[in-house]
Amino acid sequence: AQKITQTQPGMFVQEKEAVTLDCTYDTSDPSYGLFWYKQPSSGEMIFLIYQGSYDQQNATEGRYSLNFQKARKSANLVISASQLGDSAMYFCAMREGHINFGNEKLTFGTGTRLTIIP
Amino acid sequence: DVKVTQSSRYLVKRTGEKVFLECVQDMDHENMFWYRQDPGLGLRLIYFSYDVKMKEKGDIPEGYSVSREKKERFSLILESASTNQTSMYLCASIENGYLSYEQYFGPGTRLTVT
Repeated sequence: AQKITQTQPGMFVQEKEAVTLDCTYDTSDPSYGLFWYKQPSSGEMIFLIYQGSYDQQNATEGRYSLNFQKARKSANLVISASQLGDSAMYFCAMREGHINFGNEKLTFGTGTRLTIIP
Repeated sequence: DVKVTQSSRYLVKRTGEKVFLECVQDMDHENMFWYRQDPGLGLRLIYFSYDVKMKEKGDIPEGYSVSREKKERFSLILESASTNQTSMYLCASIENGYLSYEQYFGPGTRLTVT
């Protein structure tokens, strides 16, 4: 079974609208972390936001928020007021186990290509 | 600012050649990773290292080896390059510790094997 599933290969969104990128995950470990990365056409991976499995509040970073629904095993990224510069590939990723020696490796989803239309 | 650099942005090699991809980080991070990225498959972990001379296989280690002789440098080696190793290769690093969770990525090396 896929550990990280992103079901939207591509999305087109009008500028200034909010957008939700879907991510579901599969793990039996009670301790895990969920990440979103952005990859513009230049290729670099840009860290956006992190949610720990024990965090009570949904993570927010500026225009980015993570809609964490633990029972549904979903960790959707919400971008408010989208901008042209948000056009990029977006990856959801998971780290399983406590953050310590040897547990830092990530499993990535297949990504969603977001295009913002002016 | 953390910097992860990779030796080449673009590389073209012939089938059967031995290929070295170099990654250097300047923040004294213990953990380093090599991923390959292919369309529709996302990023897949090839190898990682949590200390000098230590290495662990990731999800797709076949056809690759790694070397970590110094803490700041992690090399990916293709002993005999094949066309199915044409891909984007990304290096990343992260320090140990409870508060560090962000992996820092290099700019990537786009390798073409002909």
